[in-house]
Amino acid sequence: DAGVTQSPTHLIKTRGQQVTLRCSPKSGHDTVSWYQQALGQGPQFIFQYYEEEERQRGNFPDRFSGHQFPNYSSELNVNALLLGDSALYLCASSLARDGGRYGYTFGSGTRLTVV
Amino acid sequence: QKEVEQNSGPLSVPEGAIASLNCTYSDRGSQSFFWYRQYSGKSPELIMFIYSNGDKEDGRFTAQLNKASQYVSLLIRDSQPSDSATYLCAVRLSGGGADGLTFGKGTHLIIQP
Repeated sequence: DAGVTQSPTHLIKTRGQQVTLRCSPKSGHDTVSWYQQALGQGPQFIFQYYEEEERQRGNFPDRFSGHQFPNYSSELNVNALLLGDSALYLCASSLARDGGRYGYTFGSGTRLTVV
Repeated sequence: QKEVEQNSGPLSVPEGAIASLNCTYSDRGSQSFFWYRQYSGKSPELIMFIYSNGDKEDGRFTAQLNKASQYVSLLIRDSQPSDSATYLCAVRLSGGGADGLTFGKGTHLIIQP
């Protein structure tokens, strides 16, 4: 049973550039959420996708955008990168009908470094 | 603004003892509560979830919830060195639908052999 897979594992970008991170949810899951985790902090909710639409968004600027595909996989795009965007980006999947009651399965993350 | 508070530690516990981790939350509408374990450089791993007042036990782990006091805790019995990690408390607001989690900053637990 495949878990949540994310790519790439590490990425180095320059300020002002754009980046795309990818996520495939756990088999059978239909909802994908994205989180940003800065060093020494807990993960912060960016947004959640279900049925190819953004359902909920955390306190992140419009530079952060996403997409969900018919196969439930998802992308996170960040434009005009800032040094402060350096973090571990985590994808979490769940089954919408469970209403998140049983928690979310996290992928191994993408470590983004902005220089 | 929804907040989840945890003591960042480090919390040092001798091997074989009980480790007690605590978490408070600000939003009374919070419905579901989760404990995640995160090893350094790794992603969070779900340990326990609880949504009813009282205790929930799973092996060496017990989650305790007190909604009136807006308090949730995690007890780890017979602590092992492999339990050394950062423990993240997370809450979910809505009773229906899939909503984002609000995490605390985590408590760094060290089990001393």
